[in-house]
Amino acid sequence: EAGVAQSPRYKIIEKRQSVAFWCNPISGHATLYWYQQILGQGPKLLIQFQNNGVVDDSQLPKDRFSAERLKGVDSTLKIQPAKLEDSAVYLCASSLVRRDRLLGNYEQYFGPGTRLTVT
Amino acid sequence: KQEVTQIPAALSVPEGENLVLNCSFTDSAIYNLQWFRQDPGKGLTSLLLIQSSQREQTSGRLNASLDKSSGRSTLYIAASQPGDSATYLCAVFFTGANSKLTFGKGITLSVRP
Repeated sequence: EAGVAQSPRYKIIEKRQSVAFWCNPISGHATLYWYQQILGQGPKLLIQFQNNGVVDDSQLPKDRFSAERLKGVDSTLKIQPAKLEDSAVYLCASSLVRRDRLLGNYEQYFGPGTRLTVT
Repeated sequence: KQEVTQIPAALSVPEGENLVLNCSFTDSAIYNLQWFRQDPGKGLTSLLLIQSSQREQTSGRLNASLDKSSGRSTLYIAASQPGDSATYLCAVFFTGANSKLTFGKGITLSVRP
């Protein structure tokens, strides 16, 4: 079974430029997550999709970050314009759909991440 | 505020030692807790997932325990090997509105040959 795919693996841009990341989840996984992991920190959820709808984007800096999952499969995360503090690893994860909130989340599977450096 | 804490931030042990990694969390109202492994420059690999109703899970040389009442979890690694060197992250899925997986900062483990 193929895992979560992400591209590019590395990206270096100057501040105020824009950048986009791509994620393809595991086939059949309806839930997709984007996380930001700053060096020395644990990942922080930016946005969660279920199929092509947004479930949670409360921690997404909406003035500069946007994400979409138009066909309910792959997803893109965009930053425009980038700031120095956006330097981080951006992780995509997917899981089966959560049918009952009482059961909590299903196990999440993570991609290799995209390491972004903003200079 | 719902938080997850992992102390110490780094640990170095000789090969063959049995070791325990600790995780504490601030709210006992959780759905589940997961332990992840992260190798340098790589994504996260799920090691063990413990549901709220469970007390422990085992996989090979790994055993994770959960004590909700005290807000603690431990990851026990038996007979450590150099290949176990990595960062180990604890993540808790708290209950409540907009519940999400909340991660600790991780413990970077180095197993010396």
